Amino acid sequence: QSALTQEASVSGSPGQSITISCTGTSSDVGGYKYVSWYQQHPGKAPKLMIYDVTNRPSGVSNRFSGSKSANTASLTISGLQAEDEADYYCISYTSSNTWVFGGGTKLTVL
Amino acid sequence: QLQLQESGPGLVKPSETLSLTCSVSGGSINSSPYYWVWIRQPPGKGLEWIGNIYYSGSTYFNPSLKSRVTISKDTSRNQFSLKLSSVTAADTAVYYCARRKGDTSSLDSWGQGTLVTVSS
Repeated sequence: QSALTQEASVSGSPGQSITISCTGTSSDVGGYKYVSWYQQHPGKAPKLMIYDVTNRPSGVSNRFSGSKSANTASLTISGLQAEDEADYYCISYTSSNTWVFGGGTKLTVL
Repeated sequence: QLQLQESGPGLVKPSETLSLTCSVSGGSINSSPYYWVWIRQPPGKGLEWIGNIYYSGSTYFNPSLKSRVTISKDTSRNQFSLKLSSVTAADTAVYYCARRKGDTSSLDSWGQGTLVTVSS
């Protein structure tokens, strides 16, 4: 199975909004509601930010939101803050009853 | 609050078997409907899903690793384990254990990760 496609890097200034995409196929992202997003700071374990495309766990800022169109899922961060600088990963369920991660996106807050 | 902790050798020789255990506290690994997951991350690279075991014992693996991976659970110790055979330097990574709630994509609890280096 091939990794989902994410931008290698994105950047934005404090207060701005950015969007990270996660592109797969109809056999994974496009076929199921099971896409989630994780934030990872250096040397730390990933943290769940969005699950099932659009759902936000309790305790996660409402500045984080998720969506999906066809075979591409997206994570949007609004009102960018310095602490949002991190790596972000998507993961999707696949038709083979397995899971596949995206390659990861490095977010830089300018 | 659920806590997961990986443990095992930090150094494994090439061609040998990597063995890790994830100890779970604050919840039972027999609780429905949870999956117990192994994920790894080579240094400086992205995350890779290795496989998982359902509370019932069913297992699912990454096709690229399936021939070398075993995941099992020990209910009496509230632990689940990963074995990866015939390791090479490419298996050097931080290995994470995590929990996923069934019928969701939510990996809501993670261990801190443990670095395993494959080297002679």
